[in-house]
Amino acid sequence: NAGVTQTPKFRILKIGQSMTLQCAQDMNHNYMYWYRQDPGMGLKLIYYSVGAGITDKGEVPNGYNVSRSTTEDFPLRLELAAPSQTSVYFCASSPGGGGSNQPQHFGDGTRLSIL
Amino acid sequence: AQSVTQLGSHVSVSEGALVLLRCNYSSSVPPYLFWYVQYPNQGLQLLLKYTSAATLVKGINGFEAEFKKSETSFHLTKPSAHMSDAAEYFCAVIRHGSSNTGKLIFGQGTTLQVKP
Repeated sequence: NAGVTQTPKFRILKIGQSMTLQCAQDMNHNYMYWYRQDPGMGLKLIYYSVGAGITDKGEVPNGYNVSRSTTEDFPLRLELAAPSQTSVYFCASSPGGGGSNQPQHFGDGTRLSIL
Repeated sequence: AQSVTQLGSHVSVSEGALVLLRCNYSSSVPPYLFWYVQYPNQGLQLLLKYTSAATLVKGINGFEAEFKKSETSFHLTKPSAHMSDAAEYFCAVIRHGSSNTGKLIFGQGTTLQVKP
């Protein structure tokens, strides 16, 4: 049972480049989330989705875009990479529906450096 | 504004000693609270959650947390630390108005060091 799978695990980008961080879950969860983790700051929500075709902004959405065409996949797109986007990115999922208090399941993260 | 505060960004204990990691929250309604653990180069794993069923919540790996409404606290404890407990710990609360989205607010995290 793979759970939440993120690819790639590491990436170095140049300023202005674009890339897509992939996230897939095999638990048939409705809700999916993207976070960034910076030292001493905890995790900040970038975008989230409550189902295929439905996405919404979190706390720190600027510079990112998402899509949710299937229940399983929730890619995060960086269009013009900036040094401020150097961070560790985590994808998470939860069953959703009537269980908003259900815990989120996290992937192992993507470590992204923008130089 | 709703928030979660973890007192102490770094806690160091000796192996076998009591572990106490502090978490205070602000919420005008009964909250859903969580503790997660993050081992190096890994994602977050759920330790335990509070959903109003019982004030003392037992989790995995011998950890437990007590919800105290009067103190707006949800401190994490373990009677005897083990070397394998060394990790970063996060307290989190379901965001207000997120009854149908499950959005979390995280504390800043506490790094636990266990000395031999």
